[in-house]
Amino acid sequence: QVQLVESGGGVVQPGGSLRLSCVASGFTFSNYGMNWVRQAPGKGLEWVAYIRHDGGSKYYADSVKGRFTISRDNSKNTLYVQMNSPRPEDTAVYYCAKSMYAYNWFDPWGQGTLVTVSS
Amino acid sequence: QSVLTQPPSVSGAPGQRVTISCTGSSSNIGAGYDVHWYQHLPGTAPKLLIYGNNNRPSGVPDRFSGSKSGTSASLAITGLQAEDEADYYCQSYDSSRYVVFGGGTKLTVL
Repeated sequence: QVQLVESGGGVVQPGGSLRLSCVASGFTFSNYGMNWVRQAPGKGLEWVAYIRHDGGSKYYADSVKGRFTISRDNSKNTLYVQMNSPRPEDTAVYYCAKSMYAYNWFDPWGQGTLVTVSS
Repeated sequence: QSVLTQPPSVSGAPGQRVTISCTGSSSNIGAGYDVHWYQHLPGTAPKLLIYGNNNRPSGVPDRFSGSKSGTSASLAITGLQAEDEADYYCQSYDSSRYVVFGGGTKLTVL
């Protein structure tokens, strides 16, 4: 079945760096756009970034633009987000989610990986 | 402050009907972009409930329905069940912000 599994979460110091991964299975990964979405403690869902199926287009939320970089390796069915200079407000559960285009629905979602930004 | 506005909470007794509104603007819902709805239980992956304004994925009960009009959309749940207690989010596309979510609505089954 279609499955997304995130990894790489943990504790990172403000100003440090962390890379999250999302391994996809059960569908042709290279045919679909992918997204990162996060949920801070006690808050709602916040879209973070989108990457087109071929990596040719990337969109970011204003809150992470210039600090986070979304990428993918279609040969490894893997999505990434590189988090540079994280801030305490980036503390959240990070989910990856599949969509065709950025304006489409997200389905499925992974179980999420927790990132805590703290000194 | 979310681009799409949802009520923070709604409640209803088992068997009743509840609706959750999602209000946007001319740069997102009003511009013709579709609205999608998700159900989210704490500690689990969000689940797609409605896509393309009023379409249910296979496996989603027909107790759930969606609609859209102008700059707003709604999710209706009929025959409320205890298992429906969860957080619900609307999602759309915005011409200047890309993907946007509502702030979420907590549904309590009384």
